[in-house]
Amino acid sequence: DTGVSQDPRHKITKRGQNVTFRCDPISEHNRLYWYRQTLGQGPEFLTYFQNEAQLEKSRLLSDRFSAERPKGSFSTLEIQRTEQGDSAMYLCASSSDTQGYTFGSGTRLTVV
Amino acid sequence: GQQVMQIPQYQHVQEGEDFTTYCNSSTTLSNIQWYKQRPGGHPVFLIQLVKSGEVKKQKRLTFQFGEAKKNSSLHITATQTTDVGTYFCAGPRSGGSNYKLTFGKGTLLTVNP
Repeated sequence: DTGVSQDPRHKITKRGQNVTFRCDPISEHNRLYWYRQTLGQGPEFLTYFQNEAQLEKSRLLSDRFSAERPKGSFSTLEIQRTEQGDSAMYLCASSSDTQGYTFGSGTRLTVV
Repeated sequence: GQQVMQIPQYQHVQEGEDFTTYCNSSTTLSNIQWYKQRPGGHPVFLIQLVKSGEVKKQKRLTFQFGEAKKNSSLHITATQTTDVGTYFCAGPRSGGSNYKLTFGKGTLLTVNP
C-alpha cells in the first residue's frame, strides 16, 4: 500500500463550474476525512466517514459541498457552483483506531 | 466552538539553536497530536500524547502534554536544516468525537545553516 492517494493534484476551474475530487485511503483504515487548508492556516475539518457512513459534517460546509464514500472504500468530494472563496488545498486523510492521520498530497483547487 | 492556538506563528533560528512551540486549546483534549508539514508538502503525523503530564521523546524532539490536558509543547534540541517546516498541534475535544481533529494555525520554523 502506497499511502493515501488523491486525484487530481491540481484543478483550475471557472467560477460556477462543478468539480469532483477523489481520495483512495489506506486500505486497512476504516476512517476517512476531508480537510481544507488555505495559505498560512492549519487544516480545517470538512467531514469524516467511518466505513461508508458519513458521521459528521462541518457547519462551515455549505450545501454546495457533498461527499460520498460508497462501499467504504474510496471517497469523492464534489463542489457545485464553485466560488473564488473555494480556492484552497483539499486534503484527504485516513486513520485506524489508535494512531494519527495519514494525509494524502492534496488537491489544489484554483477558481478563476 | 473549540479553538486551538499556537505560538509563535513564526520562528527563525540558526542551525544548532533550540526551538520550542506552544499549543493551547480552549477545551480539554482527549489527546494531542503533532504534525509536520514541509514547504509544499502535506502534514505528516509525528506523535500522539494521551495521558495528563505525558512526555515523549523522538531523538531531538520532546513533546509534552499538560496536566490539565489543554496545552502542549514541542521542543527541538540543536535544530538542523531538515527541521524546516510548519509544526501543527491538533486534538479532539474531550467528550466529542475522538477522530475529528481541530488543528492550530501552526508554527513555521526556518533554520539558517
